[in-house]
Amino acid sequence: QQQVKQSPQSLIVQKGGISIINCAYENTAFDYFPWYQQFPGKGPALLIAIRPDVSEKKEGRFTISFNKSAKQFSLHIMDSQPGDSATYFCAAELRRALTFGSGTRLQVQP
Amino acid sequence: DSGVTQTPKHLITATGQRVTLRCSPRSGDLSVYWYQQSLDQGLQFLIHYYNGEERAKGNILERFSAQQFPDLHSELNLSSLELGDSALYFCASRETGTATDTQYFGPGTRLTVL
Repeated sequence: QQQVKQSPQSLIVQKGGISIINCAYENTAFDYFPWYQQFPGKGPALLIAIRPDVSEKKEGRFTISFNKSAKQFSLHIMDSQPGDSATYFCAAELRRALTFGSGTRLQVQP
Repeated sequence: DSGVTQTPKHLITATGQRVTLRCSPRSGDLSVYWYQQSLDQGLQFLIHYYNGEERAKGNILERFSAQQFPDLHSELNLSSLELGDSALYFCASRETGTATDTQYFGPGTRLTVL
């Protein structure tokens, strides 16, 4: 029940395209859903986050869509750029502890 | 730069040995979290300390222990090391009492057990 399932494992997108990464969870007690971006050799950095009382949150080119009834949430990266090439992790939080998805390696081709 | 510091950056040791990883949280952050990142297990939560007290345990082995000191820095002790303990170890600190309430990750310590 603590698992967060993330897909796809890897994604190749052309510059200017839309990148979409999906996550699903089982435990309805999760109360915070962040997305982290990780570059090689660096620690994960918070990208954007949402709470379950909101269905969508947009920050610049990054949007989280949240479907509480389906227990799914997704990250959309609009106008994807080569600098967005990184590994993205979704996560779900319960009692201040994060459970991470398995990660998606995004490659944006110029 | 997240403001969280971790030392050492790299650590190479042998099976059966013991090592200590150190983390200094961002100024003012009372919470410290430890995570292990490996290729087969992904990013896994190990343990959480708040102001010196253990608050939650995740998938932390009995051979591993942690503590948070009065100056709020934290140490993760790994003993009787095995090849499978080779991984990146991250600590994160958390803002408390703010609207964002975010975990900020350090740059990690890469542990290689030979």
